[in-house]
Amino acid sequence: KAGVTQTPRYLIKTRGQQVTLSCSPISGHRSVSWYQQTPGQGLQFLFEYFSETQRNKGNFPGRFSGRQFSNSRSEMNVSTLELGDSALYLCASSWTAASGELFFGEGSRLTVL
Amino acid sequence: DAKTTQPTSMDCAEGRAANLPCNHSTISGNEYVYWYRQIHSQGPQYIIHGLKNNETNEMASLIITEDRKSSTLILPHATLRDTAVYYCIVRGGSGYSTLTFGKGTMLLVSP
Repeated sequence: KAGVTQTPRYLIKTRGQQVTLSCSPISGHRSVSWYQQTPGQGLQFLFEYFSETQRNKGNFPGRFSGRQFSNSRSEMNVSTLELGDSALYLCASSWTAASGELFFGEGSRLTVL
Repeated sequence: DAKTTQPTSMDCAEGRAANLPCNHSTISGNEYVYWYRQIHSQGPQYIIHGLKNNETNEMASLIITEDRKSSTLILPHATLRDTAVYYCIVRGGSGYSTLTFGKGTMLLVSP
């Protein structure tokens, strides 16, 4: 059974650009969450989606946005990139909306120059 | 969700049991204890969770004290592949899947 798939795995952008990251959850999972991981701040929660609805949002500026499609696939977008947005962005999926057992992908590593 | 405290790092010899402690003295009655680990450059991996009874699965055992103020994750026979950062997370019934990660414990398993 395929795990959580994130694309692209690596990308380099320059300040001011925008980026879209994609996440395909495990088949049958309807909840998708996004996390940002940096050396300084560790793992921080970005958003959580279930059935195409954002159910919870972390403390990030409005430049960070996301959505979930009817097939449970999710995308997140970061606009007007800043150097501090360089991070590993992790997607996780779970069966239900309130599960604490999350299955993480390997992440998309974003470098902003 | 309650705050957790874990040692920054621990060492363990290969083949020995690794006992990773976690303090969660402010845990409330409906909050679960979850353990995840993150091997370098990979996404976190769920290990185990529990409410008040001890739990065991194929990866590890979770021992929760009777007052629930602390817990210990036990890897019975650590291997080099168990070298990772281990996160203890206390999570309540918020209705969300959100996890709040702390800094975790870096476990180094040596030959």
